[in-house]
Amino acid sequence: GQQVMQIPQYQHVQEGEDFTTYCNSSTTLSNIQWYKQRPGGHPVFLIQLVKSGEVKKQKRLTFQFGEAKKNSSLHITATQTTDVGTYFCAGRDNNDMRFGAGTRLTVKP
Amino acid sequence: DSGVTQTPKHLITATGQRVTLRCSPRSGDLSVYWYQQSLDQGLQFLIQYYNGEERAKGNILERFSAQQFPDLHSELNLSSLELGDSALYFCASSFGSRGTEAFFGQGTRLTVV
Repeated sequence: GQQVMQIPQYQHVQEGEDFTTYCNSSTTLSNIQWYKQRPGGHPVFLIQLVKSGEVKKQKRLTFQFGEAKKNSSLHITATQTTDVGTYFCAGRDNNDMRFGAGTRLTVKP
Repeated sequence: DSGVTQTPKHLITATGQRVTLRCSPRSGDLSVYWYQQSLDQGLQFLIQYYNGEERAKGNILERFSAQQFPDLHSELNLSSLELGDSALYFCASSFGSRGTEAFFGQGTRLTVV
């Protein structure tokens, strides 16, 4: 069945540094979504990518979908303490939605 | 507020017992997903329902079962509970069965003692 791998598992950065998390699927995805879970909270939808090679930006966040639609990345430029949390990718393959293990980001002021 | 309601928020029970977790999806959403999140772990997909029918099944144990009712609310039944079942159980809903964003409830924290 579909598997979604996400790396790294943890990332600790100094405020102002950049951060990237990567997501790889064992199968071709129909789309990929990114979610953020703040400590003690629930996952909140950030964005969805559908097209091969698609790139979307949200302020300091840049999301990319690979040409083969099997991988994706989330890049945060100049991290802030408000970026703290766990970032999950979720790949859709047919009907179900499988989440990666998440990357936990901590930011040192 | 995501619009997804999960009850109860916290549940403490003993090993061997059975519990039922409830989820009310956002108004208009037809899909319900159940996920298990163990301490500091990722989201393990358990099962998905769409408009009352099972649509996809993930790593759900045989001791666990779920259903979606005609009013679209869903219940996750956990039986013969073990210590390892202690986790945060999230319900999420979306309008379609694919390709639309999911909205998560606040979760039910289950502690098995």
